[in-house]
Amino acid sequence: GAGVSQSPRYKVAKRGQDVALRCDPISGHVSLFWYQQALGQGPEFLTYFQNEAQLDKSGLPSDRFFAERPEGSVSTLKIQRTQQEDSAVYLCASSDTGVKGTYEQYFGPGTRLTVT
Amino acid sequence: AQTVTQSQPEMSVQEAETVTLSCTYDTSESDYYLFWYKQPPSRQMILVIRQEAYKQQNATENRFSVNFQKAAKSFSLKISDSQLGDAAMYFCASPALGSQGNLIFGKGTKLSVKP
Repeated sequence: GAGVSQSPRYKVAKRGQDVALRCDPISGHVSLFWYQQALGQGPEFLTYFQNEAQLDKSGLPSDRFFAERPEGSVSTLKIQRTQQEDSAVYLCASSDTGVKGTYEQYFGPGTRLTVT
Repeated sequence: AQTVTQSQPEMSVQEAETVTLSCTYDTSESDYYLFWYKQPPSRQMILVIRQEAYKQQNATENRFSVNFQKAAKSFSLKISDSQLGDAAMYFCASPALGSQGNLIFGKGTKLSVKP
C-alpha cells in the first residue's frame, strides 16, 4: 500500500512569507506526528494529532507555527512570516496506534524548506 | 531533559564485515520501546529494528540485531555482513516520557560501507 507522502518535497521561501506543508498519512492511521530536522541533526518533535485532535503541540517553536488535521487524515503544517532559522527538513510520520503501544512510526520523505 | 545519545558521529565498515553502532538513553518509564531508524540519502526514515524493554531477549531482524543492556540504558545496533546499501544515517530513538508516543532521537551516526 501507499506510504506517507509529503508535498512539496522542496520549498524555497523568502523571509517573511507564509508556507504550508502537506502530509498524507497512511490510510487509517490514527496518529500523526510532525518533526523538524535541522541539517546534521536528528528529528525533533513538533506536534501530535490523534485523529483530528491536536493532543500535543509542545514542540512548536513559536506561535508562527500552526498545524491542523481537520478530518483526521491529511495534515497541514503552516509557518507564518518565515525566518531563516526555520530552514530545515519537516518530516511527517503516522502510526496506527491511538494509544500507548508499539510507537512504530512510518515516515514520509520530508519537505526541505529553505528560507532566503 | 530526556536524552538519547549517540557518541559516534561517523563509522566506517568494510563490505561483508560487522559493525556496531552505540546508543545510550535515559528514561524513568518502566515499560518502553526503543528503535533504530535508518535514513538513506533520499531522507525517508525507515525502521530497522525495535526492542521492547520488558523482553530480555535481544531483538533480531535478519542481519540486524541489538545488544540491549537495560540496567546500563544501552541499546547498540549490530549490522552483520554489511552491504553497500547499508550506508546511511542511523538514528536511535526512544518515546518521550509521558508522551503520546513522539520520539526523541539521537544525533545520528553516519555509516559508510567500503567495497
